[in-house]
Amino acid sequence: EAEVAQSPRYKITEKSQAVAFWCDPISGHATLYWYRQILGQGPELLVQFQDESVVDDSQLPKDRFSAERLKGVDSTLKIQPAELGDSAMYLCASSPGSNKWTQYFGPGTRLLVL
Amino acid sequence: AQKITQTQPGMFVQEKEAVTLDCTYDTSDPSYGLFWYKQPSSGEMIFLIYQGSYDQQNATEGRYSLNFQKARKSANLVISASQLGDSAMYFCAMREGTFGNEKLTFGTGTRLTIIP
Repeated sequence: EAEVAQSPRYKITEKSQAVAFWCDPISGHATLYWYRQILGQGPELLVQFQDESVVDDSQLPKDRFSAERLKGVDSTLKIQPAELGDSAMYLCASSPGSNKWTQYFGPGTRLLVL
Repeated sequence: AQKITQTQPGMFVQEKEAVTLDCTYDTSDPSYGLFWYKQPSSGEMIFLIYQGSYDQQNATEGRYSLNFQKARKSANLVISASQLGDSAMYFCAMREGTFGNEKLTFGTGTRLTIIP
């Protein structure tokens, strides 16, 4: 069964360092999402791609966060510099498009900023 | 106003009993959808069930069913014959917007614990 892949699964870093997360969506899925989930809360959308184009990045803190999906397949989310408040689970999801709404999530990356 | 409200922070249910997890929503969009996801302690979000606002019948997927009451703006998840493996966080989420520009808003979740 096809799955969304994410790496790394866990990341510990010190504040002011740069971190990067990678996501490979289910093959053929046009839409890719990055979410941030703070402990005890539901996921919140950071950025949404349709193929290689950004559809929504209104909640992305652009002073320190960046995201790209250069060839419309896999994607990278970067934080530079990391802050203590960035400690969270970062989830990637993809959906097939063509009026199919369900988003399928990867295993997530747990980030701890010290 | 909260778009998705889950009023049960935690629930304890005896194994093999049925359980209902509550979800109410708020939207003015005539076209929307409601999802339920399960999140075990390992962290991944597992899709359980989906109900579109125009769907005439309540959605069912195996032991999961969605009790959709449009007038009350509620979309409760019913799990029949609960199992120990059902212990997890459960999130209700709402889709709004047009295709390709849709937004998914999650509730705060309910932690379900199944007691042997």
